Amino acid sequence: GAVVSQHPSWVICKSGTSVKIECRSLDFQATTMFWYRQFPKQSLMLMATSNEGSKATYEQGVEKDKFLINHASLTLSTLTVTSAHPEDSSFYICSARDRDRPNQPQHFGDGTRLSIL
Amino acid sequence: DAKTTQPPSMDCAEGRAANLPCNHSTISGNEYVYWYRQIHSQGPQYIIHGLKNNETNEMASLIITEDRKSSTLILPHATLRDTAVYYCIVRVGGGADGLTFGKGTHLIIQP
Repeated sequence: GAVVSQHPSWVICKSGTSVKIECRSLDFQATTMFWYRQFPKQSLMLMATSNEGSKATYEQGVEKDKFLINHASLTLSTLTVTSAHPEDSSFYICSARDRDRPNQPQHFGDGTRLSIL
Repeated sequence: DAKTTQPPSMDCAEGRAANLPCNHSTISGNEYVYWYRQIHSQGPQYIIHGLKNNETNEMASLIITEDRKSSTLILPHATLRDTAVYYCIVRVGGGADGLTFGKGTHLIIQP
């Protein structure tokens, strides 16, 4: 079946550093990928929509200069958390939409747990 | 996307059928009912979806009422590995937007 891979699966960084998270579609091409954030005991919240070859669109309240998204190819989107602080600690999850099967459900990665000290 | 309402938690004995309800009284005619689940510390996993007919796959069955205002996800023989948060999501089929997750139902399978 369709697989979405995220890397790294977990990361611990010092406050003030920038962290890059990768989301790859392994056996399909994705013109659209989505980034979510999930705080402990809460549900997933959509942060932004990543569009191949164009700018990402961000949900209300999500700072685009804080969370940089790059979708340079049909199989890779990256989320960079810039100047990360402890309040950015969360579980970040991506999903991807199959370009050739747009009516199929979105496929999710296994998430990246980010801890900022 | 239409709003959904699910019970916050449910228990089910291992080996029994788990029936998870979802209310979606404001569903539109072109909106599907999708079910995902999230096992602890993992990404959501797609389970099943349907428009108005009942659906069955290798994981579960989906029963949608005739008026489409509610549905039930059925796991026929629950195992301990089915313990997860189950999300019922209503959206247009093939929609290009991200998903809107509610709080879901935390299903706990008891040995």
